[in-house]
Amino acid sequence: DQQVKQNSPSLSVQEGRISILNCDYTNSMFDYFLWYKKYPAEGPTFLISISSIKDKNEDGRFTVFLNKSAKHLSLHIVPSQPGDSAVYFCAASEGGYQKVTFGTGTKLQVIP
Amino acid sequence: EAGVAQSPRYKIIEKRQSVAFWCNPISGHATLYWYQQILGQGPKLLIQFQNNGVVDDSQLPKDRFSAERLKGVDSTLKIQPAKLEDSAVYLCASSLSADTQYFGPGTRLTVL
Repeated sequence: DQQVKQNSPSLSVQEGRISILNCDYTNSMFDYFLWYKKYPAEGPTFLISISSIKDKNEDGRFTVFLNKSAKHLSLHIVPSQPGDSAVYFCAASEGGYQKVTFGTGTKLQVIP
Repeated sequence: EAGVAQSPRYKIIEKRQSVAFWCNPISGHATLYWYQQILGQGPKLLIQFQNNGVVDDSQLPKDRFSAERLKGVDSTLKIQPAKLEDSAVYLCASSLSADTQYFGPGTRLTVL
């Protein structure tokens, strides 16, 4: 049972344009959501998070939006840069950071 | 600040053999996690330690997998005996308590 779903395995975007990565979840008890970025042969690195009490969190070029009624979140990267090319994992947890459940990832390619 | 260290980086074994992975977390991080990431999937939590006590091992296949964290610092994950389906990247992560997790580079295990 996949509680966190990333339905797009890959995404290609031109440099300078907006990248939008989507994530859906099924467990209504999730109250904390995170995005991790992973380069080949490296472990995932934390990117940005959002609590369920918010609907938006912004950090520089990265913004995460949360729609609790739709059980959907998205990561916006603007403007996209070639160094953003990586696999992005959506993750969710109950009770803060406890027992994080990861999605399957979306591979983003930013084309120069 | 040194990151999470893991060794070996790569391991190839035959089925029914035993294998062990080692993790050294970031200094001072009380919480340590082991994840299994099968190709095309997101990381799946196997076990979580708080200091040297187990917080969650509900997804650890205990008939063949074991993990320990002696003295609340380093940790080892063992598979005995290995099966073909154990081929995956094994990721170790640590956090100060229950907050942002920092991942190591992982150990890629191939079971033939």
